[in-house]
Amino acid sequence: GESVGLHLPTLSVQEGDNSIINCAYSNSASDYFIWYKQESGKGPQFIIDIRSNMDKRQGQRVTVLLNKTVKHLSLQIAATQPGDSAVYFCATGFQKLVFGTGTRLLVSP
Amino acid sequence: GAGVSQSPRYKVAKRGQDVALRCDPISGHVSLFWYQQALGQGPEFLTYFQNEAQLDKSGLPSDRFFAERPEGSVSTLKIQRTQQEDSAVYLCASSSRGYGEQFFGPGTRLTVL
Repeated sequence: GESVGLHLPTLSVQEGDNSIINCAYSNSASDYFIWYKQESGKGPQFIIDIRSNMDKRQGQRVTVLLNKTVKHLSLQIAATQPGDSAVYFCATGFQKLVFGTGTRLLVSP
Repeated sequence: GAGVSQSPRYKVAKRGQDVALRCDPISGHVSLFWYQQALGQGPEFLTYFQNEAQLDKSGLPSDRFFAERPEGSVSTLKIQRTQQEDSAVYLCASSSRGYGEQFFGPGTRLTVL
């Protein structure tokens, strides 16, 4: 079946640094990818998505890169802030989303 | 505007009890999803509705789990004869389309003693 995995369970950065969170997926037919942010005690919050016909998409302070050749997805957060501290999940699927295990981002002042 | 709401936020059940978890999706959203999230893990798909039709229930772990959305809006996830391994956060999400961005509620944390 389809699976996604995140490379690092925890990423620690300093405030103001850029953060890069990585994700690998197994199904080369995957067509749609989403990044979610989950804060403690809350449900996942949509950050950004990308279709497989694109290799880059930018939002406010965030960029998602998709490398279909190696089945790799990354989320880049510019000028990371303490409010960015959370667990980040990549997910794939159209209706039934398959989530990775998550990377905890810790931002220190 | 109002997001997805879930109730109760916390539920403690004794093993063997039945529980019912409620989800109020965003008004007008035709698609509704249930996920189960174990501690330290990502959400896992349980089931999906489009309006009142349950189109996919492949993720329900056993026949003790049952979900319904009789009028195409509010949904209830019922777990019969709860067991300790059912302890998790149950997340509900809704979408205005059958695909794409899903908006999640805060979840119901179920603890089975």
